Amino acid sequence: KAGVTQTPRYLIKTRGQQVTLSCSPISGHRSVSWYQQTPGQGLQFLFEYFSETQRNKGNFPGRFSGRQFSNSRSEMNVSTLELGDSALYLCASSLNLGPRPDTQYFGPGTRLTVL
Amino acid sequence: QKEVEQNSGPLSVPEGAIASLNCTYSDRGSQSFFWYRQYSGKSPELIMSIYSNGDQEDGRFTAQLNKASQYVSLLIRDSQPSDSATYLCAVSLYGGSQGNLIFGKGTKLSVKP
Repeated sequence: KAGVTQTPRYLIKTRGQQVTLSCSPISGHRSVSWYQQTPGQGLQFLFEYFSETQRNKGNFPGRFSGRQFSNSRSEMNVSTLELGDSALYLCASSLNLGPRPDTQYFGPGTRLTVL
Repeated sequence: QKEVEQNSGPLSVPEGAIASLNCTYSDRGSQSFFWYRQYSGKSPELIMSIYSNGDQEDGRFTAQLNKASQYVSLLIRDSQPSDSATYLCAVSLYGGSQGNLIFGKGTKLSVKP
């Protein structure tokens, strides 16, 4: 079974621009979560989507947004990029079948550099 | 502010030794606990998950949970150089399958041949 895929893998943007990152979950997985990883702050939760609805949201400004499509694929968008947005953006998917705890599987990430 | 704390390391152990990694969390309502391994330049991969007090073993790995002390640990027996990586402790407030993990900043483990 194919794993979580993310595109693009690397991206270079300049301040003020916007960017869209894409994530395709493992087939059959219905939940997609996004995380930002930086050397200083570590891995931080951005948001989670389930059945095309945002279910949880982390403590990030409104410049960070996302959406999920009917096939569970997800995109995240960052507008008005700042230097501090340079990070590895990770997507994780999980089955989400019910009340039992679930396992999140991470994609390879998108490395965003803001100049 | 919900926090997960880990010693950043680096933790250096000789090959064949037991590596002990520790993690504390601030929210008593936390329900699910995970250990991820992350090699340099790679994404995190799940090693262990634990949901109730006590020990859980999987091969060379043992996760230990003490909810009263708000403490999670990971033991790696017979450490190998290939175990050299950053180990991330993650906590979920939800017992159910909601994808909102709070991560520690990780402990870097180095296993010397």
